[in-house]
Amino acid sequence: QVQLQESGPGLVKPSQTLSLTCTVSGDSVTSGGYYWGWIRQHPGKGLEWIGYTYYRGNTYYNPSLKSRATIFVDTSKNQFSLRLTSVTAADTAVYYCTRDVIFDSWGPGTLVTVSS
Amino acid sequence: QSVLTQPPSASGAPGQTVTISCSGSNSNIGVNTVNWYRQLPGTAPKLLIYLNDQRPSGVPDRFSGSKSGTSASLAISGLQSEDEADYYCAAWDDSLNGYVVFGGGTKLTVL
Repeated sequence: QVQLQESGPGLVKPSQTLSLTCTVSGDSVTSGGYYWGWIRQHPGKGLEWIGYTYYRGNTYYNPSLKSRATIFVDTSKNQFSLRLTSVTAADTAVYYCTRDVIFDSWGPGTLVTVSS
Repeated sequence: QSVLTQPPSASGAPGQTVTISCSGSNSNIGVNTVNWYRQLPGTAPKLLIYLNDQRPSGVPDRFSGSKSGTSASLAISGLQSEDEADYYCAAWDDSLNGYVVFGGGTKLTVL
């Protein structure tokens, strides 16, 4: 059974770049035709899709974030990552990594706080 | 303001049936499939229904989904206390080169 685990800094300064990694176990990021992606949830709020990518390069982003977000796969480590540039307090959220376009598996989530 | 509209809250007594609605438009639900997620307090969301009405392995048949036109619904029968959670609908939206949109979520209370 696939398991996803997010990792990365819990605190990022405003204007800096948020970088998170999702480690996949029990599956390969190159198998099954799956897309691998990220969803976030602001404190006490609903879910916001960030984007997802296929390991061969097709990537889709939320238009509201597209200019700042990059999602990419590291096949050698069986991981995929999110980079979000020029962060502000509005990017403070729990970030989840997900598998497939139907989000059939989720990581437990990691809280990222943007603060100086 | 979410692209998909859900009622913020719903409630029902144990054993009853509750239905949660998800309203969209011709660029999302009207032309694409709907998925539903359940989020228990303090945990990550979990896929409950995909492709409008399909249940992943392990999801009880008390949960059912349907779609008609630009709206979708999630029905939970035989309500149990552990069903108390937040429920979200999601669909692909064909506008702006395409992206995933979520409903704002419905908090289900089991009375």
